Amino acid sequence: ETGVTQTPRHLVMGMTNKKSLKCEQHLGHNAMYWYKQSAKKPLELMFVYNFKEQTENNSVPSRFSPECPNSSHLFLHLHTLQPEDSALYLCASRANEKLFFGSGTQLSVL
Amino acid sequence: DQQVKQNSPSLSVQEGRISILNCDYTNSMFDYFLWYKKYPAEGPTFLISISSIKDKNEDGRFTVFLNKSAKHLSLHIVPSQPGDSAVYFCAVEGGSQGNLIFGKGTKLSVKP
Repeated sequence: ETGVTQTPRHLVMGMTNKKSLKCEQHLGHNAMYWYKQSAKKPLELMFVYNFKEQTENNSVPSRFSPECPNSSHLFLHLHTLQPEDSALYLCASRANEKLFFGSGTQLSVL
Repeated sequence: DQQVKQNSPSLSVQEGRISILNCDYTNSMFDYFLWYKKYPAEGPTFLISISSIKDKNEDGRFTVFLNKSAKHLSLHIVPSQPGDSAVYFCAVEGGSQGNLIFGKGTKLSVKP
């Protein structure tokens, strides 16, 4: 248990659906991240939030929309996704140089 | 182009022997390096790290070696155990604002 909880663990959605991924951490960290892990690719940084403010958007398509209402919660809103967006989406919080990851949401877009 | 490279997608080792996982990086300005371990259906967990002022850091069965001139990092696990079977990611603190850059990972299988 890393202290970072992601829901749902699995999600199947059609290309016209709208869904949201949720991440919650109770570690008292002020930085939260979304990463994408596709098969045979490195972990790709998507978004970074520091003290609820977005400090990095790594050229992510607008069909992914993050939201950080407070330092403990992070959402990733999904709409009109493509099949190539199927991947494991990982949330993390950060203390010093270390990231603490959630278990991820395995997303399949049909 | 990848800034962090793990050229071996997989490695198979016998229980009790040494596992050596390798990582190469491109930028000599990187100064903090980490290894993460990932089991299926779980997120990566921090394993061990090393600063560029050191060339070795040891934690129990895990040792990380840093060769700055070669821009090469390795993780040694000895003795290897079946529970060590996982995907190992090398990461460097080198992105914008000090964000971590990850390699593709190496899947380690330790056979009983």
